[in-house]
Amino acid sequence: DIVMTQSPDSLAVSLGERATIHCKSSQSILYNANDKNYLAWYQQRPGQPPKLLFYWASTRGSGVPERFSGSGSGTDFTLTINAVQAADVAVYYCHQYYGTPLTFGGGTKLEIK
Amino acid sequence: QVQLVQSGAEVEKPGASVRVSCKTSGYIFTDYFIHWVRQAPGQGLEWMGWINPSSGAPYYAQKFQDRMSMTRDTSLTTAYLELNSLTSDDSAVYYCARTTTAATTWDAFDIWGHGTMVTVSS
Repeated sequence: DIVMTQSPDSLAVSLGERATIHCKSSQSILYNANDKNYLAWYQQRPGQPPKLLFYWASTRGSGVPERFSGSGSGTDFTLTINAVQAADVAVYYCHQYYGTPLTFGGGTKLEIK
Repeated sequence: QVQLVQSGAEVEKPGASVRVSCKTSGYIFTDYFIHWVRQAPGQGLEWMGWINPSSGAPYYAQKFQDRMSMTRDTSLTTAYLELNSLTSDDSAVYYCARTTTAATTWDAFDIWGHGTMVTVSS
């Protein structure tokens, strides 16, 4: 199984500041034939289903604000949230869909300081 | 708009079975794979498998393949998950989710159901 390791487990950021979340896969999830990283990011607010933020590591999902960005390749990926707002309080998950079983990171809880 | 509406909460006894439904609307049901993901209380996300709504062919995560069944009814544009031999470890919210790209098996999930809470308790 491909293990997805997120860091940190939680972080507290002041309003308007930047939040950075890391995700590392236990093996490369870059498919060389199409040069795509099989990596997605989701935001899950309390009591809600996950919401897609990025797929192919950096392709923004529908309606996702531009202050969110996804980057990385191979085994190391980053989700950056610029100018954090109160509405960004949530748990963020990375997800690999390169190999079966599909797996998720353990989640990173974002709080406001 | 595209929607996945799931059936209501269930309470089952250990050893029983549960069936969760996922009613889709707003798109061509047979064009997109449906995956199932569960989340135990306070825990992370666990992928369970997918169904090809066009062919009806399922693919199960090895962990669940002995006691899980995924089916669909194209006339109702609904996918179903059945899980057997329930234990307390199966208490979780069960989500159906649609792939982002048509006719693509291994993909991110752009539309999620609201979730169905399944509680297993004697």
